[in-house]
Formats: sequence, C-alpha cells, structure tokens
Amino acid sequence: EVQLLESGGDLVQPGGSLRLSCVASGFSFSSYAMSWVRQAPGKGLEWVSGISAGGTTYYADSVKGRFTISRDNSRNTLNLQMNGLRAEDTAVYHCAKGGVTIFGVIKNNWFDPWGQGTLVTVSS
Amino acid sequence: EIVMTQSPATLSVSPGERATLSCRASQSVNNNLAWYQQKPGQAPRLLIYDASTRATGIPARFSGSGSATEFTLTISSLQSEDFAVYYCQQYNNWPPITFGQGTRLEIK
Repeated sequence: EVQLLESGGDLVQPGGSLRLSCVASGFSFSSYAMSWVRQAPGKGLEWVSGISAGGTTYYADSVKGRFTISRDNSRNTLNLQMNGLRAEDTAVYHCAKGGVTIFGVIKNNWFDPWGQGTLVTVSS
Repeated sequence: EIVMTQSPATLSVSPGERATLSCRASQSVNNNLAWYQQKPGQAPRLLIYDASTRATGIPARFSGSGSATEFTLTISSLQSEDFAVYYCQQYNNWPPITFGQGTRLEIK
C-alpha cells in the first residue's frame, strides 16, 4: 500500500522557521516527482513546491526564496524547509506523489496519493 | 499562470440524482486535468486524471469529460458518500500547478 506520512508541523512565530518531512512507503520513491500542497483553514488547495525524481525544484511565487524543498531517496523522505514564515503560511501541508520524469520533463503530474497533512500555524 | 475556475461554488442535489460540475481553464491545458474529492478532515483523493480516466478503485458513476479549456465531472447517481468538495487541477503548464477554488456538493 502506498503511504505518505508527514510530520513537523507546529506553532511558530512570524519570521520563524520550520522543517516538514514526509516519509513515503509502498512505491519506488526515487522514481517519482513529489510535491507539497497546502490548505489554509476553510480554504482551497494551493500548490507550494515540487521536486523531480532527479532533484530539480519548483516553487510557487508566494514561497520562492523562503521555502526549500529537498528529497533523500536513501530514506524515502521528502522535506520542506520553511524560513521567514508569515501568518498567511498558516495551513495544513500535504505531501503528494506526482508524476514521472521523461526526457527531463515531469509528465502525468497529478497527485496520488496524498498524505493526511501536518498543521503549520504562524502566530505570535 | 493558468487560472482554473469551477462552477457552481455550491451544488445541491438529491441522492440518486445526477450531479454535473464544471471547470474552466484560462488557456488550453489539453487533457492534462485531474479531479479530486475531499471530505472534511481528510486528504484529497484522486478521482480522474487526463480529463477522463478514472483512478484505481473509483466507481464507474464518476466520469470526466472535456478538453482544452472546458471540463466536466459527472456523478451519475449520487450516493450519500459522494457529498464532499471537488477540485480540478491542471498539470499542463507549470509551475505553478493550479487548482480550481472547489465546488461543494451538498445534499438537497
């Protein structure tokens, strides 16, 4: 069974930092792109960042320069380092399994499955 | 950035009836569109990818159609477990990957 389990969410002050992790199991982690998608309380889904199987990274403009996505294929782990946190970053953060890389391009980048998410609250 | 617009925001339908949800893209996404279902307190679940292909384990009452900029998710005969929020997502032209704002399907 494919599973994703996030951790690391917490209450943090504005300007603070937090590191989220997502441990994957049940599939060949190193072969797939992965993404972080967040959902603010009562709001819709917002893609935050993605990383290809080979380590190429992608970011939403809202987090570029503040967040860093990385992966450790030896540990089947996806990470999101979040610096300079703002109140508007408050959300449940989900990791999700994405598409495959073909000739350097990520294809079929729908998300399946998703982890249950970890809550990040930015407040003083 | 491709903007995805879903309509209606809320849809009230009786159990056993058909529900039709719409998703429009601000520019062509070819058939690179997915649909997700989300219930309260749960992670989104993939229903449809490539506009019309059901994901593994998704009942046949769920169907997707459309291409380019206009897409539809149809639930042929609503069951009680289908009342949820539905999102569309484009993966044709990214970053960023973009989602619609969601359609809440509620019991009439």
